[in-house]
Amino acid sequence: AQSVTQLGSHVSVSEGALVLLRCNYSSSVPPYLFWYVQYPNQGLQLLLKYTSAATLVKGINGFEAEFKKSETSFHLTKPSAHMSDAAEYFCAVSGPNTDKLIFGTGTRLQVIP
Amino acid sequence: NAGVTQTPKFRILKIGQSMTLQCTQDMNHNYMYWYRQDPGMGLKLIYYSVGAGITDKGEVPNGYNVSRSTTEDFPLRLELAAPSQTSVYFCASTEHRGGETQYFGPGTRLLVL
Repeated sequence: AQSVTQLGSHVSVSEGALVLLRCNYSSSVPPYLFWYVQYPNQGLQLLLKYTSAATLVKGINGFEAEFKKSETSFHLTKPSAHMSDAAEYFCAVSGPNTDKLIFGTGTRLQVIP
Repeated sequence: NAGVTQTPKFRILKIGQSMTLQCTQDMNHNYMYWYRQDPGMGLKLIYYSVGAGITDKGEVPNGYNVSRSTTEDFPLRLELAAPSQTSVYFCASTEHRGGETQYFGPGTRLLVL
């Protein structure tokens, strides 16, 4: 069985501050991990993914995430928040022979000018 | 490529009415998915398909039906609409299972009164 937990349904940061969105996973098989972003009134789009290559994954718009097996974590970071980063972010997990993607409940990021 | 398209964008239904949410993708993807998104709940899988003629239930299939007669189309049918089906519905597709990116449509917002 697989699941993800996103700590914090709402996160507020000041413009220019560090963004840290937390995701912990549970998986009985080697996981594939994803971060998706959803801007208001839009569908989801992929930010980045981990599929068992480099543990530090770089994505679009300056975001990156690090896979830490010992901590079962895949936290999303960005050094300096921009107003355009305001959105909802979803962590998700699947596996090598899995047809389905399991999503977390999402974290809404607010960026304060 | 248009990617994944969904129609309609918004619909109001009365209790007991039925409707079909349309989803089409032009990427020749085998895997297609229907999700519903409710506030604070993330995305829940309703049904999915691994190819034309093959469908399977997800986490929340009750009250819905699907069919997949072509690779491109994956309609979602609501029979006897209920207020609990008020939600935003997303269709997605991917080329392969496991670590592949899912591509999402823009969503259909449904209100059942």
